[in-house]
Amino acid sequence: DQQVKQNSPSLSVQEGRISILNCDYTNSMFDYFLWYKKYPAEGPTFLISISSIKDKNEDGRFTVFLNKSAKHLSLHIVPSQPGDSAVYFCAASSSGTYKYIFGTGTRLKVLA
Amino acid sequence: DAGVIQSPRHEVTEMGQEVTLRCKPISGHNSLFWYRQTMMRGLELLIYFNNNVPIDDSGMPEDRFSAKMPNASFSTLKIQPSEPRDSAVYFCASSLAGSRPYGYTFGSGTRLTVV
Repeated sequence: DQQVKQNSPSLSVQEGRISILNCDYTNSMFDYFLWYKKYPAEGPTFLISISSIKDKNEDGRFTVFLNKSAKHLSLHIVPSQPGDSAVYFCAASSSGTYKYIFGTGTRLKVLA
Repeated sequence: DAGVIQSPRHEVTEMGQEVTLRCKPISGHNSLFWYRQTMMRGLELLIYFNNNVPIDDSGMPEDRFSAKMPNASFSTLKIQPSEPRDSAVYFCASSLAGSRPYGYTFGSGTRLTVV
């Protein structure tokens, strides 16, 4: 049972445009969410996080939005750059646990 | 800091052989996690340790898989006997328990191919 779902396996976006990556979760106990970025032959690296007490967190070109009622979060990248081409994973955890449940990932390709 | 170090980077083995993957977490981190990445299931948590003690091994696929953490600076994941369906990239990650903002730090992974 996938508690964290990324339904789009891949996404292509033109350089300079907005990239929107989506993630849905089913467990209402999740209260902390992360996005990781992964390049080929490397481990995932932390990108941005959001707590359930917020509905938005911004860091430079990256913004994560959280809609708790819909159990949905999204990552916006504006403007997209070719170096953003990677696989993006969303992950969720609940208070009192130290483990994150990951989605299956979305491969983003930014076209120059 | 050298980050989380995994070895080997690549492993090719024949079905039925024993495989041992190794991980050195970041010094000072007290939680260690083993994940497996596949196309179908993404990043799957296999097991995690807190202060060298296994806390949750519910993700370990079957008895062929075992993991140990004899001390704070070393962990192994062993598969015996290995099967072709075990082929995947295995990641080790570490964190400071209770420190949520940045999640885990992952190693570069071990790509395992069982033929």
